Amino acid sequence: AQSVTQLGSHVSVSEGALVLLRCNYSSSVPPYLFWYVQYPNQGLQLLLKYTSAATLVKGINGFEAEFKKSETSFHLTKPSAHMSDAAEYFCAVTSDTGRRALTFGSGTRLQVQP
Amino acid sequence: NAGVTQNPKFQVLKTGQSMTLQCAQDMNHNSMYWYRQDPGMGLRLIYYSASEGTTDKGEVPNGYNVSRLNKREFSLRLESAAPSQTSVYFCASSDGGSPLHFGNGTRLTVT
Repeated sequence: AQSVTQLGSHVSVSEGALVLLRCNYSSSVPPYLFWYVQYPNQGLQLLLKYTSAATLVKGINGFEAEFKKSETSFHLTKPSAHMSDAAEYFCAVTSDTGRRALTFGSGTRLQVQP
Repeated sequence: NAGVTQNPKFQVLKTGQSMTLQCAQDMNHNSMYWYRQDPGMGLRLIYYSASEGTTDKGEVPNGYNVSRLNKREFSLRLESAAPSQTSVYFCASSDGGSPLHFGNGTRLTVT
């Protein structure tokens, strides 16, 4: 069984400030981890993925995430928030590469204040 | 290259009515998925199809049926809609090591 916990359903930061969105996972086998972003009235877009290569993963739009096995975490960060980063962010896990049916966290809505 | 296309984009049903949500992908992916998204609950897997001709239940299959019509198309059917099925439905596809590609969703309201 696998699960994802995203701490904080809403996060608010000022433009230019650090963005930190937290994700902890539970998986009985080595996980594959993903961050997706959802803009209003749209589907989900892949930000980045961890598939057992480098533990620090860089994604699109300046986001990155670090896989920490000892902490079972995969937190998403961006050094400097932009107004266009306002969206909902989902962490997801799978341990079955063939099926690829992801288990999603409940999401974190990021608000960026001017 | 359209990716994953869902129809309709919006639908309102009365309790007990039936409908089929359509999904098609043009990326030649083997696997297709149906998720529902509800506030505060993320996305939950309803059904998936690992390859043409196969379907399997996900986390929340009750009240739904699916058909993998061919490699491109994967439809979701509500035989007797209930208010609890009010949600946003997303179709996705993937292949081998590729991440999931999502459609833009169908917003369904059941009154």
